[in-house]
Formats: sequence, structure tokens, C-alpha cells
Amino acid sequence: AQKVTQAQTEISVVEKEDVTLDCVYETRDTTYYLFWYKQPPSGELVFLIRRNSFDEQNEISGRYSWNFQKSTSSFNFTITASQVVDSAVYFCALSEARNAGNMLTFGGGTRLMVKP
Amino acid sequence: DADVTQTPRNRITKTGKRIMLECSQTKGHDRMYWYRQDPGLGLRLIYYSFDVKDINKGEISDGYSVSRQAQAKFSLSLESAIPNQTALYFCATQEGQPYQPQHFGDGTRLSIL
Repeated sequence: AQKVTQAQTEISVVEKEDVTLDCVYETRDTTYYLFWYKQPPSGELVFLIRRNSFDEQNEISGRYSWNFQKSTSSFNFTITASQVVDSAVYFCALSEARNAGNMLTFGGGTRLMVKP
Repeated sequence: DADVTQTPRNRITKTGKRIMLECSQTKGHDRMYWYRQDPGLGLRLIYYSFDVKDINKGEISDGYSVSRQAQAKFSLSLESAIPNQTALYFCATQEGQPYQPQHFGDGTRLSIL
């Protein structure tokens, strides 16, 4: 069975600090997909990134970067020079290719608070 | 206009009432999903549908039912609401492949007294 763990339930940083959100997953499938979503205080879910199990290249998008390591089953998310607008709940999610329903299994989320 | 629209956005009701949450999409996606979000538990899948004739139970379907009235519409019903169904409910759509992201509506905040 697939499982996603986000051990950090809440993180508080001061603006301009770097912060890393951890995500550890479990799956028996060899082909799978990992996602990060952002949920700002307004409540909607915003898709940030997808990574497939065959691509371990790290990705950078502006102040955001993602580190995928199959050896440790982790897909961590780093925000560089955090800003108040980054305050949100962040979810990591997993989808297995063999899962007919394409179901997303979500971690419990990490609430990030960036203080001015 | 939003691609995935949920109505109502907020609802407060009493135990035992029947409630319907509606979802409509303009993305043309075949796959639609209903999730509920509880603090610390992330989102959990209630039901999903691949097309009008295909409905499947998710992880936590007990106490819920769904109807796929058309490709664009997928509604979730609570036949007799109970307080532990108080949660934030999300509808999502997906184009069809597991590598494609799901696109979520803005959510319905449901409180059952």
C-alpha cells in the first residue's frame, strides 16, 4: 500500500530564511509519481510540481526547489528566501502507475508560517 | 470562471439532514474525484468516477454516495449527516493518466451540528 509521511506538522520561520519541507513515501510500485500542492489561507489547492520515479533530477523554479532521492524515498521541498506569501499548508502526494483509479495518497500536510 | 466549481462554498446543517455537494468542470476531463480534508490527515478519497457509467469507492466511502450526471458534473451526497462528517470537501478532475496532476475546486466547508 502507498503511504506518504510529512513529519513536520508546523514550521515557523522569519522572512528571508530558507526552509525545507520533508516528504517520505512508501510504495511497492516501480513506476510512480510524486506531487506537491500548496493550500494558502484562502483554502484552494494549487499544484506546484510533479516528478516521476524515473527522473531523479532536482528541479528549481525561482525560489522553489525540489530534491528527489529514491534511495531514501524522499521528495523534499525547499523555499529559499521565504516570504510572507509563502505561508500556507503544503501537501506531498503520491500516485502509483498501476493504481487503476490514479488515486492520490496525500501526506498530512505541513503548515508553514513565515513571519515578517 | 474557475475550471472546477464547487457549490455551496460553505454549509452549516444539522445532524440527520440530507446534503448534496455539487461539482462541475469545464476542463473536459473524464476523471472526477471527491476528497475530504481533516486537520493532520491530509486529503482522503471518498469516491471517484472515470465516466458517467463508472463509479468507484475510495478509501472512506461509508456514509456517502455520489452521482455522475454528466461528464462535467459529479455530486456528493450525505444521506443522513453526522457531526464527524464535518470537514472541508474537495472535488478534483484529471485528464486520465496517473502522471497528470489533479485539478481541484475551491472546496466546500461543511459543518454538521
